[in-house]
Amino acid sequence: DTEVTQTPKHLVMGMTNKKSLKCEQHMGHRAMYWYKQKAKKPPELMFVYSYEKLSINESVPSRFSPECPNSSLLNLHLHALQPEDSALYLCASSRDRETGTSGRKKQFFGPGTRLTVL
Amino acid sequence: ELKVEQNPLFLSMQEGKNYTIYCNYSTTSDRLYWYRQDPGKSLESLFVLLSNGAVKQEGRLMASLDTKARLSTLHITAAVHDLSATYFCAVESNQGGSEKLVFGKGTKLTVNP
Repeated sequence: DTEVTQTPKHLVMGMTNKKSLKCEQHMGHRAMYWYKQKAKKPPELMFVYSYEKLSINESVPSRFSPECPNSSLLNLHLHALQPEDSALYLCASSRDRETGTSGRKKQFFGPGTRLTVL
Repeated sequence: ELKVEQNPLFLSMQEGKNYTIYCNYSTTSDRLYWYRQDPGKSLESLFVLLSNGAVKQEGRLMASLDTKARLSTLHITAAVHDLSATYFCAVESNQGGSEKLVFGKGTKLTVNP
């Protein structure tokens, strides 16, 4: 299995809703990432988990709450979002903190969840 | 703070022509990546460049890295319509013991028949 899966593909939610995005990989990767991508912009890193521990939080508002229940799963819990949070949310994974040759830290991206906040 | 600049941001070219996309970055890094993104889709990894002078080729695309100049290029040879997409370079930055990618703004490539 050489892919990262994300569910749902599309999500529409109101500002008072609570929802979760899910990301899964079975490549044995120990680093997982959440990115946010607005239209016509590059991806922006939100969070990094390394060995199931949060290692980078890019000053993301608390209405986004990441969770890494095990080495294969990464969730992003959403609560009280704003319309400006509408974006494509991308999950990625990579091998982490390993020495070696090419590609070992390459990030594999999932298909993304298109989120619309009304 | 690592900054990554790509140019051009928009590129319209005819089929069969050659062109180069440039990626400059501001601080030393060990790794540089090129990704392709089709509209509404995720990122597809094209190349990982690890060392000074590295050159990789896949089909009509060739990427190179000059770590001394902090410059990578993505060269397109004899472009075809299927290459139309947005191309991002991304540079690895170490923060808090974890690696993060900093992306350029992307180059939207349109190949016209």
